[in-house]
Amino acid sequence: NAGVTQTPKFRVLKTGQSMTLLCAQDMNHEYMYWYRQDPGMGLRLIHYSVGEGTTAKGEVPDGYNVSRLKKQNFLLGLESAAPSQTSVYFCASRISRGRDEQFFGPGTRLTVL
Amino acid sequence: SQQGEEDPQALSIQEGENATMNCSYKTSINNLQWYRQNSGRGLVHLILIRSNEREKHSGRLRVTLDTSKKSSSLLITASRAADTASYFCATDDGGLDTGRRALTFGSGTRLQVQP
Repeated sequence: NAGVTQTPKFRVLKTGQSMTLLCAQDMNHEYMYWYRQDPGMGLRLIHYSVGEGTTAKGEVPDGYNVSRLKKQNFLLGLESAAPSQTSVYFCASRISRGRDEQFFGPGTRLTVL
Repeated sequence: SQQGEEDPQALSIQEGENATMNCSYKTSINNLQWYRQNSGRGLVHLILIRSNEREKHSGRLRVTLDTSKKSSSLLITASRAADTASYFCATDDGGLDTGRRALTFGSGTRLQVQP
């Protein structure tokens, strides 16, 4: 099993450009999450999904949109990138019942100029 | 805002010594988890302790939880250079406070183990 994978690993955008980050998991997990991590800080929840076709806002959702069309994929979109969105983005997944631990992807480092 | 706050922010010890990190949180929890992050990598789950548990062990890790003080500690015994990483506590309120089954992370403790 590959676990949780993220594409791309690195990206540089100009202000106003758009992009989509892809997260994929092969563990048949129901719950998926997008976090951002800024220097010296912990992770902050952007959006999450408790199942295929459902999404919900986290702590810092402004400027981001998400979609969960397939159970194994969770997409994070930036419609008009801003320098404040420069960060490292992590995707995570979790089984809905039973164990509560989250499994994390390796991260995407995004720089917005 | 961050739910968990780790203390200290940074810790430097010699190999073989024990490392203790503390976490304080603000609201009721269902469980508290500790994660490790190596530089430039994703987070890896270390250990979970539920609100009705007071202590838990896993290998060289020992976690305690005091719900009356809303605090937890992570002890790494006989540390190794390979333990060098950032350690985060994360609280799960079971959806009772935030309405969502998601973790709230602290800002982390950077541990440096000198060989």
